[in-house]
Amino acid sequence: GENVEQHPSTLSVQEGDSAVIKCTYSDSASNYFPWYKQELGKGPQLIIDIRSNVGEKKDQRIAVTLNKTAKHFSLHITETQPEDSAVYFCAASSSSGSARQLTFGSGTQLTVLP
Amino acid sequence: DAGVIQSPRHEVTEMGQEVTLRCKPISGHDYLFWYRQTMMRGLELLIYFNNNVPIDDSGMPEDRFSAKMPNASFSTLKIQPSEPRDSAVYFCATGGSGNTIYFGEGSWLTVV
Repeated sequence: GENVEQHPSTLSVQEGDSAVIKCTYSDSASNYFPWYKQELGKGPQLIIDIRSNVGEKKDQRIAVTLNKTAKHFSLHITETQPEDSAVYFCAASSSSGSARQLTFGSGTQLTVLP
Repeated sequence: DAGVIQSPRHEVTEMGQEVTLRCKPISGHDYLFWYRQTMMRGLELLIYFNNNVPIDDSGMPEDRFSAKMPNASFSTLKIQPSEPRDSAVYFCATGGSGNTIYFGEGSWLTVV
């Protein structure tokens, strides 16, 4: 089955700096890569996703890049703000027929220091 | 849309008691997933349904766990009997025809 590894497990940055979180996946059939943000006491919330036919996607301060050859994908947050502090999860998904598999990374605790 | 609705939000129960967690999916979503989150194991997929039919229950830890989806707007996850090691946050998530899934706020279970 799919295996997703996520690094680093914790990340502290100064407000205004950039943050980068990296993930690797094992299953070459995976074709969808979402990123979720989980705030304390809440469920994971989708913040951005990318599909395997695209190399990069941006949404304001957030961007995701995908390297299918290397099986890497990364989340980039620019101009970080204290409200960006949360746990971030990457995931990889493949689908076939009615089968739907979404495998999560282990999470990154991001702390933005004011 | 109200999003995925889970109940109860918090439950504290004694070991041996039955626990029932409930989920109302987003209207029109035909996939429903039950996840468990712990510090040690992260987010684990327990079971998922497509059009109310269980597709993969290989993540269900043991026979004490069961899940049902009697109709398109309701699902339950039951633990009987509950044990302290079942203490975790249980998330319901739903998705439509695309790959995107949306999580509820979770049910925080403590078994003492």
